[in-house]
Amino acid sequence: DQQVKQNSPSLSVQEGRISILNCDYTNSMFDYFLWYKKYPAEGPTFLISISSIKDKNEDGRFTVFLNKSAKHLSLHIVPSQPGDSAVYFCAATGSGGSNYKLTFGKGTLLTVNP
Amino acid sequence: DAGVTQSPTHLIKTRGQQVTLRCSPKSGHDTVSWYQQALGQGPQFIFQYYEEEERQRGNFPDRFSGHQFPNYSSELNVNALLLGDSALYLCASSLVGANVLTFGAGSRLTVL
Repeated sequence: DQQVKQNSPSLSVQEGRISILNCDYTNSMFDYFLWYKKYPAEGPTFLISISSIKDKNEDGRFTVFLNKSAKHLSLHIVPSQPGDSAVYFCAATGSGGSNYKLTFGKGTLLTVNP
Repeated sequence: DAGVTQSPTHLIKTRGQQVTLRCSPKSGHDTVSWYQQALGQGPQFIFQYYEEEERQRGNFPDRFSGHQFPNYSSELNVNALLLGDSALYLCASSLVGANVLTFGAGSRLTVL
C-alpha cells in the first residue's frame, strides 16, 4: 500500500522551460510535505517543504503547490536548468503523536536538456 | 561543517552473514534515522533513534537493529542477510522534532 505516489517515473524538459513534478498521497493524517533532490552517488538533499495550512510555498525558482482536497502536490521549477537534472522525491509526514518518519514516493527522474 | 557521514560506502556480503553500518550525524543534530532504498524505489523508514532509544520503527523484521551512542552517532546492524537486503542504506539526522532531515550519501550493500 503506497501512501505517497509519484506516477511519472521520468520527465524531460528543455532548458529555460517549466518543469512540473506531481505527487499524490492517500493518508489524510499527512500534514507536512517535502521535496528532496538526489544526484547519483549522493544522498537526498532537501529542496522545499509545505505545511498543510498553506497551499503554496515559494523559494527562488522552486514553488510547491498543495491541493488538500485532491490530496495532490506539485513542484514547479522555473526556469529549468541542466543542473536540475536529478531524481526528485516527494515525501510526507504527520505531525504530533508518535510519528517521526518520512514516507517517500518512488521518485521522478528529471532530465533538463540544454 | 561536515554533514552526515556514513561508512563504509560500499560493501559485499554473502547470505547469512551479518553487517554493521555506521553514521555520524550533522554537527548539532541529536536524532538519527535509517532508511533503506532498494533499486527503483524511494527510501523506506527503518527506525529512528533519539537519546539512545529507538523512538519509532518501520515495517522491518527484528534482523534489523540499531544503536545510538552518547555522541549521537549510530549503527545499523542487519543479521542473517538475505538477497533482498541488497540496497542503499541511508542515514539521516535532524534536531528532535524537526521534519526536515539531512541525509548522508549512503552505504551500498550487496548481498550475494
